[in-house]
Amino acid sequence: KAGVTQTPRYLIKTRGQQVTLSCSPISGHRSVSWYQQTPGQGLQFLFEYFSETQRNKGNFPGRFSGRQFSNSRSEMNVSTLELGDSALYLCASSTTSGRLTYNEQFFGPGTRLTVL
Amino acid sequence: TQLLEQSPQFLSIQEGENLTVYCNSSSVFSSLQWYRQEPGEGPVLLVTVVTGGEVKKLKRLTFQFGDARKDSSLHITAAQPGDTGLYLCAGRSISAGGTSYGKLTFGQGTILTVHP
Repeated sequence: KAGVTQTPRYLIKTRGQQVTLSCSPISGHRSVSWYQQTPGQGLQFLFEYFSETQRNKGNFPGRFSGRQFSNSRSEMNVSTLELGDSALYLCASSTTSGRLTYNEQFFGPGTRLTVL
Repeated sequence: TQLLEQSPQFLSIQEGENLTVYCNSSSVFSSLQWYRQEPGEGPVLLVTVVTGGEVKKLKRLTFQFGDARKDSSLHITAAQPGDTGLYLCAGRSISAGGTSYGKLTFGQGTILTVHP
């Protein structure tokens, strides 16, 4: 089974621009979660989608948004980029929504976003 | 907001030594997971502990979940250079209702370097 794929792997943008990142989950997985990883803040939860519905949301401003398609693929968008948005954005997929204790998440390699 | 404090932040040891990483919180979690992340890759799940007091062993790695399900530890015996990486603990919340239910909260991580 192919793992979680994320595109692009690297991205350089300038302040004020917007960016869209893509995530393809493992085949059969219906839940996709997004995380932001920075050296200072660590891994922080952005949001989770399950069957095209946002199930959970972290404490990020409205500039961060996402969506999930009927084939479970997901995209996240960041508008009006700020320098502080530079980070590794990780996507994780699982078979079920995060409300189950045993829910195992499989992470993709991430998209490294640099905002200049 | 649930927080997970992970310690130590950095650990540099010689091959063959033992080490313990701690993960503490004031909140109760329904489960706790340990991940290992290597540069350029996403975190990979090592283990999930669910029951208070549970101990799980994975070769030279021993994971323990506190009786109150608020803390956990990872002990590595006879560390090897291949153990080098970022170790992350993550707790799944049990708050019913709202958007926090089922969310994974990550600790800041422990960067382990094992020198040959």
